[in-house]
Amino acid sequence: GIQVEQSPPDLILQEGANSTLRCNFSDSVNNLQWFHQNPWGQLINLFYIPSGTKQNGRLSATTVATERYSLLYISSSQTTDSGVYFCAVDRNYGGSQGNLIFGKGTKLSVKP
Amino acid sequence: DAGVTQSPTHLIKTRGQQVTLRCSPKSGHDTVSWYQQALGQGPQFIFQYYEEEERQRGNFPDRFSGHQFPNYSSELNVNALLLGDSALYLCASSLAWSPGELFFGEGSRLTVL
Repeated sequence: GIQVEQSPPDLILQEGANSTLRCNFSDSVNNLQWFHQNPWGQLINLFYIPSGTKQNGRLSATTVATERYSLLYISSSQTTDSGVYFCAVDRNYGGSQGNLIFGKGTKLSVKP
Repeated sequence: DAGVTQSPTHLIKTRGQQVTLRCSPKSGHDTVSWYQQALGQGPQFIFQYYEEEERQRGNFPDRFSGHQFPNYSSELNVNALLLGDSALYLCASSLAWSPGELFFGEGSRLTVL
């Protein structure tokens, strides 16, 4: 099956710093999503980005589907950005979509 | 617009017991997927329900079963609980045949003693 690798596994930042999280996947995909899991366990949607570039405030993401990777950029980090960031992909489409394969996540800690 | 809602949020069971978890999808969605997340791991796909039928299944034993109702809500049942079933169970909803995102609920945290 498809493999999803995220790096780095752990990241410690000082408040205000910028960071880049990476997601590599082993096969072509029709869906790629980035999530932030808060301390209570909820997965919060950040980006739906099977290809291209999107921005939302201090966060932006780029997926280069032909090279099978995606990047999540966090600028001017805040303590509330702390948590685990997951990349998840789905090879399927149409009636078979919805089986997301998750990476192991990047645990981000932002210090004040 | 109500998001994905799950109940209960926390529960404790003992080995051998059975548990039922519930999920209501986001308004307008017709497909429900269930995931298990063990501590320190990424979520793993259990199965997906569409039109009241199981459409896809991950690598989970038959002790895990589910149901979808005509209003698109869903239940996850786990029989003969094992200590290893302790995890966060997440429900996600989506719209079939429409490329797009999955939206997750807050999860049900199950502890098996």
